[in-house]
Amino acid sequence: DGGITQSPKYLFRKEGQNVTLSCEQNLNHDAMYWYRQDPGQGLRLIYYSQIVNDFQKGDIAEGYSVSREKKESFPLTVTSAQKNPTAFYLCAGGGHWSSYNSPLHFGNGTRLTVT
Amino acid sequence: GENVEQHPSTLSVQEGDSAVIKCTYSDSASNYFPWYKQELGKRPQLIIDIRSNVGEKKDQRIAVTLNKTAKHFSLHITETQPEDSAVYFCAARKAYGGSQGNLIFGKGTKLSVKP
Repeated sequence: DGGITQSPKYLFRKEGQNVTLSCEQNLNHDAMYWYRQDPGQGLRLIYYSQIVNDFQKGDIAEGYSVSREKKESFPLTVTSAQKNPTAFYLCAGGGHWSSYNSPLHFGNGTRLTVT
Repeated sequence: GENVEQHPSTLSVQEGDSAVIKCTYSDSASNYFPWYKQELGKRPQLIIDIRSNVGEKKDQRIAVTLNKTAKHFSLHITETQPEDSAVYFCAARKAYGGSQGNLIFGKGTKLSVKP
């Protein structure tokens, strides 16, 4: 099995701490994405990367940071500057127009709770 | 930029009835329209997609129709079953590079199928 692997599934942190969510893929996607999903809400784009060593802010990038040092890996750091970090975080790969026949594949998500 | 609106936000049907979810998009350059199903606590998964050179596509009990002139597309589920209960997201994408080649999602429709 493979695809988009997120870890951990559940994450608990104290307010004021930075936390890093892992996302690994073995699908050879150039494009990778991070979305945030709040209860009963849609998908909001945090950051995306279309190639190694390059990434762009999405609609709600404030308080988050990413890196793309390897094609396979796109970790997301939720910093203490993010005012409401408790949410369900989804990583995805593929789906960009440049990946013509590649649909967007999602990982299983990480549920982050900050208290 | 592209804007995707999805209706209704919630939909309740009796088992065996049909369900229809509609989306409209703003950018006539959009040419790829996928639909994702997200069960409670799980990741969104692609269930069907359509490209702009096709007006309708079917896969067993689900179908998608596209009206390019009116800039809307719809998901049709026939003979609904309780396992169809989920949140459904539509999306649209252009054949452009950069951020314009990303998928733009609707806000989702929560479908409940009552036995």
